[in-house]
Amino acid sequence: EAAVTQSPRNKVTVTGGNVTLSCRQTNSHNYMYWYRQDTGHGLRLIHYSYGAGNLQIGDVPDGYKATRTTQEDFFLLLELASPSQTSLYFCASSDAHAEQFFGPGTRLTVL
Amino acid sequence: QQQVRQSPQSLTVWEGETAILNCSYEDSTFNYFPWYQQFPGEGPALLISIRSVSDKKEDGRFTIFFNKREKKLSLHITDSQPGDSATYFCAASGGTNTGKLTFGDGTVLTVKP
Repeated sequence: EAAVTQSPRNKVTVTGGNVTLSCRQTNSHNYMYWYRQDTGHGLRLIHYSYGAGNLQIGDVPDGYKATRTTQEDFFLLLELASPSQTSLYFCASSDAHAEQFFGPGTRLTVL
Repeated sequence: QQQVRQSPQSLTVWEGETAILNCSYEDSTFNYFPWYQQFPGEGPALLISIRSVSDKKEDGRFTIFFNKREKKLSLHITDSQPGDSATYFCAASGGTNTGKLTFGDGTVLTVKP
């Protein structure tokens, strides 16, 4: 079964802080995705990647950077965190046009 | 402009009833429509999916009805159980080979015993 892990599971930072969210998948999927989930907005795509070194811009990329260092690892970076980035973040992986497997989520609070 | 819309936002049914969740989309190039189920504290998980070449997909108590002409789908959950209480997301992808999904805002289903 697909395995996607995220760390940390919870994070609190202050406005202007630097945050890195980590995601690892062990299913040899080429595609990885970062979403944020907010009440009333469902899941919104921040960035995604086709493979190591590749990065694609999603639908809500402002204030976020991402890096795909290996096929397994995808990182989301918030260099100057703002309260509007308080959210639940999910990572997912898949092959093209196939089921996306989601991680357990990271709850980020920016004070 | 929201590409995928879901209704209702929340739905309450009694155990044993059929729950009907609706979804519509804008982009005529969408050709793959998965439904995801999410329980509190967990990530979404694929429940059932359909491709635009079909008009119906069944999996046990879960059935997707698809109307390509009207760009509408519905998820029917028959004999609803309290364990079906969750948030259900309709999603869509297609056109370019990106794997990218566009999600609706979700329907929160509560099944009362």
